[in-house]
Order: sequence, then structure tokens, then C-alpha cells
Amino acid sequence: DAKTTQPNSMESNEEEPVHLPCNHSTISGTDYIHWYRQLPSQGPEYVIHGLTSNVNNRMASLAIAEDRKSSTLILHRATLRDAAVYYCILRRAYSGAGSYQLTFGKGTKLSVIP
Amino acid sequence: DTAVSQTPKYLVTQMGNDKSIKCEQNLGHDTMYWYKQDSKKFLKIMFSYNNKELIINETVPNRFSPKSPDKAHLNLHINSLELGDSAVYFCASSQDLAGTKYNEQFFGPGTRLTVL
Repeated sequence: DAKTTQPNSMESNEEEPVHLPCNHSTISGTDYIHWYRQLPSQGPEYVIHGLTSNVNNRMASLAIAEDRKSSTLILHRATLRDAAVYYCILRRAYSGAGSYQLTFGKGTKLSVIP
Repeated sequence: DTAVSQTPKYLVTQMGNDKSIKCEQNLGHDTMYWYKQDSKKFLKIMFSYNNKELIINETVPNRFSPKSPDKAHLNLHINSLELGDSAVYFCASSQDLAGTKYNEQFFGPGTRLTVL
């Protein structure tokens, strides 16, 4: 599986935008970019995903570089509840039953300062 | 309603014992997973089941035996527990369909296993 590289940690002030970067220089044409986050003492939860175009949902936005070798998760107004570890994961296109398992890296620990 | 539930939430036991962790999902998904998160917080896939059939076994010792009585349940039985088995175990589920561009995985709250 193609690897991703993320900063170990980042800080943000509450109510300010946060840009969480992810490098994936070995991404293949069929890899989808997924973001999950893990709040303290909870299981991971899906945030957003994309392939080539930028994506928005109620939680965040995903900006994907034109060459797809990097992407940025954008939280428009960080809240204390957004403090979590954010994982950038590459997911291959379907290749058979059970092929959708997630390969987690170290992620970025986001701290939100009140 | 809880989408993916696990029991127990905490499990403390002695080395050498046998224990089970249960997982249930009420989302109608056909694929379920077990992940292990160790003390360094790395999350790793252990098993993947699709329609009650084992798909992936990621070099997990055979002391770990998943069992899927039906599509909604995937239990994890661990024999002869060792200190290194102490971790948080997460169950997850997703709908695994050919041609699906994505399939969000839903995770349970985790079971913290402590082996003394």
C-alpha cells in the first residue's frame, strides 16, 4: 500500500481554521484519499474522502493537489471537540471481498487551544 | 441506537486465561473487522470477515480466533493470554460492494484488554 506522511502534531486556536497536511507521493491512480479521526478514548470515525476533486462535507473540506501527491484536510473553525488524532489513509479501489481494510499510519495529533 | 457495539468495554485478566470480546453491528453491513491499537497508539488490522467468511488474517497468532455466527456479529476469542496482548481492540464494519467508490467504516468504542 502507498504510504502517507503527516506531521506528528499540530496546534490550533479555537474558532480558527486548521489545515492538516498529508503527503502521499507514491499514490496510484486508483487510490482514494480518506481521512479518519480518533477522539480521545473513542474508536476512529470517518471524516471525508476524495479522489481528484476537492470535497466538502459538514465536517470538513478536503483539498487535493493537482498531481495528487498531497492533500490537506481543512477544518474551517476548530472547536475543542475537534481535538483528536487525524489519519490520512489511501484506500485502493475495490479488488475483492474484504479488500477495504484501512491501513493506519501515525496520524497528526491536533490540539485545540481555548 | 449504537451502530457498532462491543462488550465488554474493559477486560482485566491474568496471563494464560482465555477470554472473548463480542461485537455486533446493526447497520446491515456485510463486512466486519478487528483492529488492535497498542500502547504506542498504532492501529493495525487483524481480521476481516465478509459474509461470515474470513478474508484477511494479518499474521495474527493462532491464539486469536475470530468467529462470525452471522453477518451482524464478529467475536474475538483469545486463548492463553500473554502480556503483549494488552491493547485496545476495535471492531468495525462496512458495506463491501464491488464497484463502490468508498465504504465508510464504522468503528465500535473499543475494548481495553489488560493482561496481568
